[in-house]
Order: sequence, then structure tokens, then C-alpha cells
Amino acid sequence: NAGVTQTPKFQVLKTGQSMTLQCAQDMNHEYMSWYRQDPGMGLRLIHYSVGAGITDQGEVPNGYNVSRSTTEDFPLRLLSAAPSQTSVYFCASSLQGGQYEQYFGPGTRLTVT
Amino acid sequence: LAKTTQPISMDSYEGQEVNITCSHNNIATNDYITWYQQFPSQGPRFIIQGYKTKVTNEVASLFIPADRKSSTLSLPRVSLSDTAVYYCLVGVIYNTDKLIFGTGTRLQVFP
Repeated sequence: NAGVTQTPKFQVLKTGQSMTLQCAQDMNHEYMSWYRQDPGMGLRLIHYSVGAGITDQGEVPNGYNVSRSTTEDFPLRLLSAAPSQTSVYFCASSLQGGQYEQYFGPGTRLTVT
Repeated sequence: LAKTTQPISMDSYEGQEVNITCSHNNIATNDYITWYQQFPSQGPRFIIQGYKTKVTNEVASLFIPADRKSSTLSLPRVSLSDTAVYYCLVGVIYNTDKLIFGTGTRLQVFP
């Protein structure tokens, strides 16, 4: 199993550009989520999904869109990048949400100039 | 979601036992306690989980007193590679529950 994979590893965007961060898992997990982590901070939940076709907002959803058309994939879209979205983004998956063991991807480091 | 409080940072030396305590005064009956470890430039990794008393695995032990208002993660004989941020989380194991991280405890292990 590859586990949770994320692409790209690094990305630089200009303000106003849009892009999609890719996340895939091969463990047949129903629950997937996106977090952002700013320097010296903990992780903040952006969006999550409890299964294909179902998504919901986390703590900091503004400026981001998600969709879940398959169990395996959970892409995160930045609609119009802003410098405040400079961060490291982590995708995670799990059999269930909450305190069920979450498996995290390696992260995408995004810089918006 | 129960709020957790843990020290911002701790220092230790190789070979020592490290205990990181997490306070969760408003823990609910159905809540579990889970600890994650995060190395620099990596995603968090699940370490251990418990509901009450003591849980031990190959990496750590988790001590939970009877009132469950706090918990202690114990790392035996730490090494330099245990330098990381440790997060304490409290919540239920439901499909729709969110996992909320705090700022964690930054453990620095010195030679």
C-alpha cells in the first residue's frame, strides 16, 4: 500500500491564481480530511468527508473547495490564492472520523506571493 | 469537543523517561484520548489511544486516572529521534466527528 499520497510536494502561486492539491489513498478509507499547518502552529481542519459524495466544512474553510467523487480521491481547490494561504497542507484518511486512527500524507508546502 | 491543555515545550536528555501530561477537564463519557507525534516536515503519526487506566504499546504508555480529567503520555528512555511535537486529542470515535488539533508539546531531546 502506498498509503496517503499528496501532489505536488511544493508549489508557488501568485495571488489570484487557482490550483488543486491532490490527495489519494489506497486503504479504502471512508473518512478523509484536509488540514493546514502554519509555522509554529498546530493543524487546523479545512474540510472533511465521511464518504464519497459527502463533504463538510472544518474550522477554516473559506477560500477552499473540496469534492469527493470517489472513495480514493479528495482534492482541495484553492479558488483565488491569497498570501494568507501560504502554509503546509496535509491530507489524512481513516476508516472513521474522530479519534479513529488517522493516516497523514507527506504534505504540500504552498507559497503564495 | 473537549478542550485540552498541554505544556508548550519540554526538554530531556537521551535515556531519560519523559512524561507529557494533558489536561482535559470537560471530557465526556464517550470520549477517547489519543496522542499523535509529528516530526518536522512530516504529517502527524498516531502513537497511542486509550479510554481509561493504562495502555501500553511498543512506543509509549498512556496513563489515565479514574476521573479521566487528565492523561499522561510516557516515553521510556528517549533518544534524539524522539524530538518532535506531541499532540493530545480528545473526542469520540464517530464517523462524523472531526479531529481537532491544538498546538501540542514540543519535546527536545539532547545528547
